[in-house]
Amino acid sequence: NAGVTQTPKFRILKIGQSMTLQCTQDMNHNYMYWYRQDPGMGLKLIYYSVGAGITDKGEVPNGYNVSRSTTEDFPLRLELAAPSQTSVYFCASSYSPTKGEGYTFGSGTRLTVV
Amino acid sequence: AQKVTQAQTEISVVEKEDVTLDCVYETRDTTYYLFWYKQPPSGELVFLIRRNSFDEQNEISGRYSWNFQKSTSSFNFTITASQVVDSAVYFCALSEAGNMLTFGGGTRLMVKP
Repeated sequence: NAGVTQTPKFRILKIGQSMTLQCTQDMNHNYMYWYRQDPGMGLKLIYYSVGAGITDKGEVPNGYNVSRSTTEDFPLRLELAAPSQTSVYFCASSYSPTKGEGYTFGSGTRLTVV
Repeated sequence: AQKVTQAQTEISVVEKEDVTLDCVYETRDTTYYLFWYKQPPSGELVFLIRRNSFDEQNEISGRYSWNFQKSTSSFNFTITASQVVDSAVYFCALSEAGNMLTFGGGTRLMVKP
């Protein structure tokens, strides 16, 4: 049982480049989330999805886009990378957050924009 | 809006000391869930506990214990007889029913031998 898988684990981007952070879960969870963690800080929600075809903005969505074409996948797209997007990105999924079900986190993607 | 405050940004203790990590939350919902996560130096997030707003019973799991008090909107975490392996950043988080997790800023715990 793989849980939540994120790729890549590390990436260095140049300013203005674009990339997609991949996130896949095999637990048939409807709810998926993208968080970023800046150095020495807590996690902030970027985007979330309550099911295939449905996405919504979180606290810090600017500079990012997401899509949810399948239940399993929830990729995060950076179109024009900026140094302010240097962070660790965590993907998470949950079966039923309305019932307080736990959240499963991926191992993170460390992104540096130079 | 939901908010979580962890006022202690960094705590340093000597091994075998007891240590309490504070967490204060704000929410307008009557149904909500509180969580603690551990983030060791390797970076992953490790789930420790989940508590719903209707269950104020304290919980003990080995050297870990949690004190949930709705009257003061607090969900504090105590490590008894701390060990070097407890060194990590600990996050308290809140989820209102039907909403996403909101994290506190984290408390970095350093346990020295």
